[in-house]
Amino acid sequence: QSALTQPASVSGSPGQSITISCTGTSSDVGGYNYVSWYQHHPGKAPKLMIYGVSSRPSGVSNRFSGSKSGNTASLTISGLQAEDEADYYCTSYTSSFTYVFGTGTKVTVL
Amino acid sequence: QVQLVQSGAEVRKPGASVKVSCKASGYTFSSYHMHWVRQAPGQGLEWMGIIKSSGTTTIYAHSFQGRVTMTRDTSTSTVYMELSSLRSEDTAVYYCAREGVATFYFDYWGQGTLVTVSS
Repeated sequence: QSALTQPASVSGSPGQSITISCTGTSSDVGGYNYVSWYQHHPGKAPKLMIYGVSSRPSGVSNRFSGSKSGNTASLTISGLQAEDEADYYCTSYTSSFTYVFGTGTKVTVL
Repeated sequence: QVQLVQSGAEVRKPGASVKVSCKASGYTFSSYHMHWVRQAPGQGLEWMGIIKSSGTTTIYAHSFQGRVTMTRDTSTSTVYMELSSLRSEDTAVYYCAREGVATFYFDYWGQGTLVTVSS
């Protein structure tokens, strides 16, 4: 199972919006609405930001939103803030009853 | 509150095995699956496998099949991940992560356990 493809880095100025893509196949992202996104600060445990493609857990800012089209899922962060600077990973359930993570995206707030 | 507390850092020689624990509290242990995820230095997150709430079903990532064993002890609410035939590439931080049955996402994570493989 190959990792889902994410851009290595995305940057934006405070207040701007950025979007991170996550491209898989019809056997994972495209085949199920089970894409989730995680924020990971180095040295800390990953944090769930989006599940089920577009649902947000309680406590997560509504500046974070998710969507999917075909084999590509996306995470959008609006009103970018300094605290959003972190690594972001998508993951998807697969047709092999396993899970696969994305390659990860480093978000930099300029 | 939900807590997943993992065992401490380990150092092993190549060819050895390591067993990492993840003790759960603050929820009904038997109602949730547990996953293991690792991150090697400078690399991304990698899914290793799942032990389901029943304790009798495990599914491992292809790249770990034959080397990884996941078990759970309901009496102590603890999940274990044992990795054998260690090589230097297994040096990584290992995380346990909880999944609600059939929710398909990881809502709580352990703090991570660094395993270093070095001769």
